[in-house]
Amino acid sequence: RKEVEQDPGPFNVPEGATVAFNCTYSNSASQSFFWYRQDCRKEPKLLMSVYSSGNEDGRFTAQLNRASQYISLLIRDSKLSDSATYLCVVNMRGGSYIPTFGRGTSLIVHP
Amino acid sequence: ETGVTQTPRHLVMGMTNKKSLKCEQHLGHNAMYWYKQSAKKPLELMFVYNFKEQTENNSVPSRFSPECPNSSHLFLHLHTLQPEDSALYLCASSPASGGSGGELFFGEGSRLTVL
Repeated sequence: RKEVEQDPGPFNVPEGATVAFNCTYSNSASQSFFWYRQDCRKEPKLLMSVYSSGNEDGRFTAQLNRASQYISLLIRDSKLSDSATYLCVVNMRGGSYIPTFGRGTSLIVHP
Repeated sequence: ETGVTQTPRHLVMGMTNKKSLKCEQHLGHNAMYWYKQSAKKPLELMFVYNFKEQTENNSVPSRFSPECPNSSHLFLHLHTLQPEDSALYLCASSPASGGSGGELFFGEGSRLTVL
């Protein structure tokens, strides 16, 4: 079983749409959770951390469900510039906690 | 502009060559990481250094040899690589590793091609 699992997509949506991604993780002892964004041929960059109570940053909302071991990312009013790959990252317990990446979900926003 | 700098950005090498990738961070962080990114696969953690000490080696073949002389510099020495080692190698740093170690800051990566 993969440690951090994401639907690779692509999700192809029109501008203005609302789109949601989920990510599941296997290790219940995992601590911190993040969403990163990676543009084509660029390095990943932090989009937002995910807190137990859920958090919102403008058009982006992240939620954590520890009981079901998944995190989600909701993007409202999609823009063309939101087209990218969204990476789920979980600090998983091994010998120490290490940041473990999902394979990413590709989003394409079209006019 | 990124606080993590990687050189070279592109590298082509033969299977018998020896080369090194360099990473430098200007953020005052204590943890540094090497990740490998291949097409259609998740980023794979290779090594973690915390305060210059290696804390994780994710079963990486010995043809990859990391070196961390201080908290700001990280090297990946390469020798007798295989074509399947061709990938984007990403260096990252964070304030500390483990637990709520915080945000990872990535360099732009070194794209390696092994012929």
